[in-house]
Amino acid sequence: GNSVTQMEGPVTLSEEAFLTINCTYTATGYPSLFWYVQYPGEGLQLLLKATKADDKGSNKGFEATYRKETTSFHLEKGSVQVSDSAVYFCALSVVRGNTPLVFGKGTRLSVIA
Amino acid sequence: DTEVTQTPKHLVMGMTNKKSLKCEQHMGHRAMYWYKQKAKKPPELMFVYSYEKLSINESVPSRFSPECPNSSLLNLHLHALQPEDSALYLCASSQDSTRGVSYEQYFGPGTRLTVT
Repeated sequence: GNSVTQMEGPVTLSEEAFLTINCTYTATGYPSLFWYVQYPGEGLQLLLKATKADDKGSNKGFEATYRKETTSFHLEKGSVQVSDSAVYFCALSVVRGNTPLVFGKGTRLSVIA
Repeated sequence: DTEVTQTPKHLVMGMTNKKSLKCEQHMGHRAMYWYKQKAKKPPELMFVYSYEKLSINESVPSRFSPECPNSSLLNLHLHALQPEDSALYLCASSQDSTRGVSYEQYFGPGTRLTVT
């Protein structure tokens, strides 16, 4: 089956620290990979995506590279800000009709000044 | 414009009430989704509509009744809910993925539902 495993938080960092949130997946087929972010009291926002091996998704200083050999899609940011405090979800979608997203459990990030 | 709107933002209802949640998108997406999200959990899929037809029902109780009146609108009708149905209900849309390409989903802000 299809599944996503991401590091469980909470993760607490000081402002300007380096962020890595690990995400690995198992999939039958060739998935597209996504990172979504959910700020307190809001819905999910697409942060970045990658659709094939070695693709790098990037947005707002965040990056993640689709690594087929390690089945990973780790999220990184070089210098976090307080405004990055949120829950981050790694997700995959396998091409088979309008299949639902398969989400990881989410990682809560708190950035302190 | 990548906006999905949902109304109401908050809803409190009794177990005997009937209410509806509404979702709208104007991105030309032909796939629309309802998810339920409990606190500190990822969203769980409830329903998928493709070209205004229900394509996936994840064994959701009949007290939840979806409706897709046109390609831009998605409703979720609620009746005789239980307190454990209290959650954040999220709507999402995407380009149709039935032709072998997987597209990202865009989410609305959600409706925070409390059943008393």
